[in-house]
Amino acid sequence: DIQMTQSPSTLSASVGDRVTITCRASQSISRWLAWYQQKPGKAPKFLIYKASNLESGVPSRFSGSGSGTEFTLTISSLQPDDFATYYCQQYDSFPLSFGGGTKVEIK
Amino acid sequence: QVRLMQSGAEMKKPGASVRVSCKTSGYTFTSYGISWVRQAPGQGLEWMGWISTYNGDTNFAQKLQDRVTMTTETSTTTAYMELRGLRSDDTAVYYCAKCSATSCHSGGIDYWGQGTLVTVSP
Repeated sequence: DIQMTQSPSTLSASVGDRVTITCRASQSISRWLAWYQQKPGKAPKFLIYKASNLESGVPSRFSGSGSGTEFTLTISSLQPDDFATYYCQQYDSFPLSFGGGTKVEIK
Repeated sequence: QVRLMQSGAEMKKPGASVRVSCKTSGYTFTSYGISWVRQAPGQGLEWMGWISTYNGDTNFAQKLQDRVTMTTETSTTTAYMELRGLRSDDTAVYYCAKCSATSCHSGGIDYWGQGTLVTVSP
């Protein structure tokens, strides 16, 4: 099974900051990686697929990169609506697996 | 628009079973698989399994495969997840989610239900 590890687990930042979250896979998953945003009490929201493709309607301040085992999610200029928890997920093979999450909180 | 509407909250005793339904609309049901994902209180997302809405193929997380059943009903575009032998650590919000491709290992999960809280308590 493929293990997904995110870092950091918590990130404190201010509005306007550039934020980067890292996700590592225990084996190569090519570019079969998605990113989700989740706010308290809500279902996750699909942000990025195939490592770097922005889902329709997602603001362009979000970007993803990486391949193989190392991936990043970057928010170029953090906005108030972006304070949330972010999860990566591999869909290279079953069983699918999520990272442990990164909570982006207000500094 | 795409919608996934789940059944309401459930309270169960240890050892019981729970069945959660997921009524879908706004897309061609048999063209996209359904995954089930759960989230224990204050914890991260845990993938439970996937079902093909086209032919009923399934794939489950190993830790759950002896206790979980996933089915679909094409006539009503509804997916179901049943979990048996409930334990206290099964207390979680259970989500159904639409795959962005026929199989969830060909694409991410693009739409989610609102979640169903299942509480397991004596």
